[in-house]
Amino acid sequence: GAGVSQSPSNKVTEKGKDVELRCDPISGHTALYWYRQSLGQGLEFLIYFQGNSAPDKSGLPSDRFSAERTGGSVSTLTIQRTQQEDSAVYLCASSNLQVLTYNEQFFGPGTRLTVL
Amino acid sequence: AQSVTQPDIHITVSEGASLELRCNYSYGATPYLFWYVQSPGQGLQLLLKYFSGDTLVQGIKGFEAEFKRSQSSFNLRKPSVHWSDAAEYFCAVGDRNTGFQKLVFGTGTRLLVSP
Repeated sequence: GAGVSQSPSNKVTEKGKDVELRCDPISGHTALYWYRQSLGQGLEFLIYFQGNSAPDKSGLPSDRFSAERTGGSVSTLTIQRTQQEDSAVYLCASSNLQVLTYNEQFFGPGTRLTVL
Repeated sequence: AQSVTQPDIHITVSEGASLELRCNYSYGATPYLFWYVQSPGQGLQLLLKYFSGDTLVQGIKGFEAEFKRSQSSFNLRKPSVHWSDAAEYFCAVGDRNTGFQKLVFGTGTRLLVSP
């Protein structure tokens, strides 16, 4: 079946503009994750959704970042008033989460965000 | 707090030669350890994982990794590298208490394969 898809693949924006990044998880996966991959920084956890539970937002770097997941499927990561330090690759992953056991996170190809 | 260190930013290996990528972790309890590979323009793919039991784990594409608690290491190995192995490799640690939702990744090692 189809994997995790993300759009757009590349986004160039000007400092101060808002951007929206989209993630389509694997059909039927209950959990969805956002990570940020900055140059030389590895991957940084941002936010996690599981079913109808409140999302874990503990990784969001500032209140300019927010995310929502509509209908338990598609998710949108929004960055308001973008700054140059927001430039990074934003990766989305999904998994069929079960309690107290590991379920592989399947990653999308990412959205490369460049803030000028 | 958990952390993962990958001390090598770049490694160049000749095709057919053996490979070892280093990973050290900092974690108080028994770690759950992962290696991922990211090919250009692709998402991350899980190579292998360690939860418990045999400290030598086998993964896909001929990779293996050995968990050494005394050294806090989980190094990735392959006996003979192919040109298609050129990619970036990430070591990660997960926490069973959080259901593995928050994987902590290292900064990655970029593997270059020379002919």
